[in-house]
Amino acid sequence: SAVISQKPSRDICQRGTSLTIQCQVDSQVTMMFWYRQQPGQSLTLIATANQGSEATYESGFVIDKFPISRPNLTFSTLTVSNMSPEDSSIYLCSAQTGAGELFFGEGSRLTVL
Amino acid sequence: GQQVMQIPQYQHVQEGEDFTTYCNSSTTLSNIQWYKQRPGGHPVFLIQLVKSGEVKKQKRLTFQFGEAKKNSSLHITATQTTDVGTYFCAGPRGNKLVFGAGTILRVKS
Repeated sequence: SAVISQKPSRDICQRGTSLTIQCQVDSQVTMMFWYRQQPGQSLTLIATANQGSEATYESGFVIDKFPISRPNLTFSTLTVSNMSPEDSSIYLCSAQTGAGELFFGEGSRLTVL
Repeated sequence: GQQVMQIPQYQHVQEGEDFTTYCNSSTTLSNIQWYKQRPGGHPVFLIQLVKSGEVKKQKRLTFQFGEAKKNSSLHITATQTTDVGTYFCAGPRGNKLVFGAGTILRVKS
């Protein structure tokens, strides 16, 4: 298993600003992912955070808008850049164990005014 | 690309009634996973099914993987208020997981 600490848990931001979300895993994991979840909706994969190289983004998500860092096997950050109200959502960090299951952080609830 | 369809979207049951959610994939899956998300919480891994026709039980929860490995179900016997939440199935796409839309379960006591 893996325990994931994610912060901030929530934030209210102004349009045009940027916010960085941090994700710390209590053990080394190969795969880390960032998801977005609108209230009452399913999880949408933003990108795979690759250790030591550029993240792999899903269709509809780009590095300029959602830059991701993964400096080591236990830590990753997601930045939501130049925010607009459409970016208001819950952002979830996850780590995959060797058995394939995902463990999630508590989520970061972002509101953009 | 590979999609995972899940039904129903929403179910409201009386405490003690049974509940089932179904998951269907457009392609054969190497495995399927199930997650539960309590209201206000984050998704929590429940189980992974790998074998064709596999059936696994966790107390009142029964998970099935279809013979063709394209569909799966989660059945809860005699629901309790603690079962409230959203249940997601998820199938692999490469080294990533694709989640179904989820089934929201509400239980009336």
